[in-house]
Amino acid sequence: NAGVTQTPKFRILKIGQSMTLQCTQDMNHNYMYWYRQDPGMGLKLIYYSVGAGITDKGEVPNGYNVSRSTTEDFPLRLELAAPSQTSVYFCASSSWTGANYGYTFGSGTRLTVV
Amino acid sequence: DAKTTQPNSMESNEEEPVHLPCNHSTISGTDYIHWYRQLPSQGPEYVIHGLTSNVNNRMASLAIAEDRKSSTLILHRATLRDAAVYYCILNRQGAQKLVFGQGTRLTINP
Repeated sequence: NAGVTQTPKFRILKIGQSMTLQCTQDMNHNYMYWYRQDPGMGLKLIYYSVGAGITDKGEVPNGYNVSRSTTEDFPLRLELAAPSQTSVYFCASSSWTGANYGYTFGSGTRLTVV
Repeated sequence: DAKTTQPNSMESNEEEPVHLPCNHSTISGTDYIHWYRQLPSQGPEYVIHGLTSNVNNRMASLAIAEDRKSSTLILHRATLRDAAVYYCILNRQGAQKLVFGQGTRLTINP
């Protein structure tokens, strides 16, 4: 059982470039999330989705876009990368029961924008 | 979202029990208390969660105060591998998302 899989693990982008961070889960979870973690800080929620076709903004959505066309996949798109987006990005998922269920996190994508 | 307060850091010795406190004085009746930990260079890992009663699993125990305004994560016999940042988070039924604070950085001495 793979859980939550994120690709790539590492990426260096130049300012102004775009990229998509991939996230896939095989647990049939309805809820999926994208967080970012800056050095020495806690995680901040970027976007989340409660099911295919439904997405909503978190605390820090500016500069990012998401889509959820299937239950399994929740890609995060960075348009016009900026140095402020240098961070570690974590994807997570949870079952439909929400609060009474633990979240499963991926191992992260470390992104550097230069 | 209801807030939690945790010490910035704690230190303990290997093979001893560790009690990690969390205060959540504004907790509401539908808030579940979740604990996650993050080992160095890894994603957060679910540890345990509860609503009103104490909970035990293979990783840890969660002791919840009777008034639910505080809780304690108990690691019964710490190992070096338990060195991590531990996050106490209130997850409200229907809120659909976890909001992370700064957590407690736990150091385990050999």
